Amino acid sequence: GAGVSQSPSNKVTEKGKDVELRCDPISGHTALYWYRQSLGQGLEFLIYFQGNSAPDKSGLPSDRFSAERTGGSVSTLTIQRTQQEDSAVYLCASSLAGRNSYNEQFFGPGTRLTVL
Amino acid sequence: EDQVTQSPEALRLQEGESSSLNCSYTVSGLRGLFWYRQDPGKGPEFLFTLYSAGEEKEKERLKATLTKKESFLHITAPKPEDSATYLCAPQGGSQGNLIFGKGTKLSVKP
Repeated sequence: GAGVSQSPSNKVTEKGKDVELRCDPISGHTALYWYRQSLGQGLEFLIYFQGNSAPDKSGLPSDRFSAERTGGSVSTLTIQRTQQEDSAVYLCASSLAGRNSYNEQFFGPGTRLTVL
Repeated sequence: EDQVTQSPEALRLQEGESSSLNCSYTVSGLRGLFWYRQDPGKGPEFLFTLYSAGEEKEKERLKATLTKKESFLHITAPKPEDSATYLCAPQGGSQGNLIFGKGTKLSVKP
């Protein structure tokens, strides 16, 4: 079946512009995660959605970052007033159940964001 | 503070030369430990989950083991197609998130 998809695959933007990154999780997966992977760093947790529960936003680095998940499926990560330090690969993952269950996360290919 | 350290950062092997990758962790409330493989320009691909000390899992040339403080990924007679970055991610902490190490970049030369 189809895996996690993300779009765009690459995004180049100018400092100060807003960007939107999209994630389509695996059908039927109730949990969705966003991570950031900077060069030479491990994956950094950003935000977690589980069903209709309030999202865990504890990993968002600043209030310029926000995310939503519509209809329990597609998610959009928005970065406002982008800065050069936002340049990274943004990865989305989904899992069948949430963090309280023991199940693996399946990752999309990522969106490479470059802020000039 | 929850920490994960993977070593070495990079490992070069000749085809057929077996070795091990290490993942040392300090994570509160460990629920499990995940290993992923990541190829350049792609997202991580799930390999194994280990839940308790002493557990082992195998897949082709890979075997993962777990102790209370470390996990090892053993690679037996590697092939060039095993070249990738291997990521270790214990699940735990106050929120039960995956806590990723920086990875070990493995290169296998023919």
